[in-house]
Amino acid sequence: GAVVSQHPSRVICKSGTSVKIECRSLDFQATTMFWYRQFPKQSLMLMATSNEGSKATYEQGVEKDKFLINHASLTLSTLTVTSAHPEDSSFYICSARQSTGQKTTGANVLTFGAGSRLTVL
Amino acid sequence: AQTVTQSQPEMSVQEAETVTLSCTYDTSENNYYLFWYKQPPSRQMILVIRQEAYKQQNATENRFSVNFQKAAKSFSLKISDSQLGDTAMYFCAFMARRNTPLVFGKGTRLSVIA
Repeated sequence: GAVVSQHPSRVICKSGTSVKIECRSLDFQATTMFWYRQFPKQSLMLMATSNEGSKATYEQGVEKDKFLINHASLTLSTLTVTSAHPEDSSFYICSARQSTGQKTTGANVLTFGAGSRLTVL
Repeated sequence: AQTVTQSQPEMSVQEAETVTLSCTYDTSENNYYLFWYKQPPSRQMILVIRQEAYKQQNATENRFSVNFQKAAKSFSLKISDSQLGDTAMYFCAFMARRNTPLVFGKGTRLSVIA
């Protein structure tokens, strides 16, 4: 089945530094990937839609200059948290949908990465 | 905008018993997709079951089945013969069309008790 690899799984950084999280589709191509944020004991909130070869589409209230998204290839999207602060500490999850060659039974199913726990000191 | 409501923040069930998790949604779309995802303590999102709105037949996957009521915009999940490994957060999710993101409910924390 489709696999999405997300790295790193955990990261601790100092306030003011930038952190990059990678989301990679291992065995399929994904023209669209989605980035979610999850606070403790809460649901997943969509941050942005990442489109290969074009600018990401951000949800209302998400700072595009704070959360930089790059989708440079059909298998890789990155989320960079710039000048991180303690309030950026959260669990970030990416997801992807296979673009081509997908079996009918798997249509419209998103595959999720394992998530990245960011702690900003 | 679509919304998904899960009215049960927490539920518990005895091992081997049956439990039903509720989900309602609001949309003006006619064709859409509904999902139940499981998030165990590892926090990996796992697809449990999915339903296309144009299909009248309720989806089933082994011990998991749904009761899809399109007119009522209801999509409940039934877990039969509950197992300890079913303990997790369960999220109901809605997708309007292909290549659109999932909209999640707030989740139901299910505890299976031995």
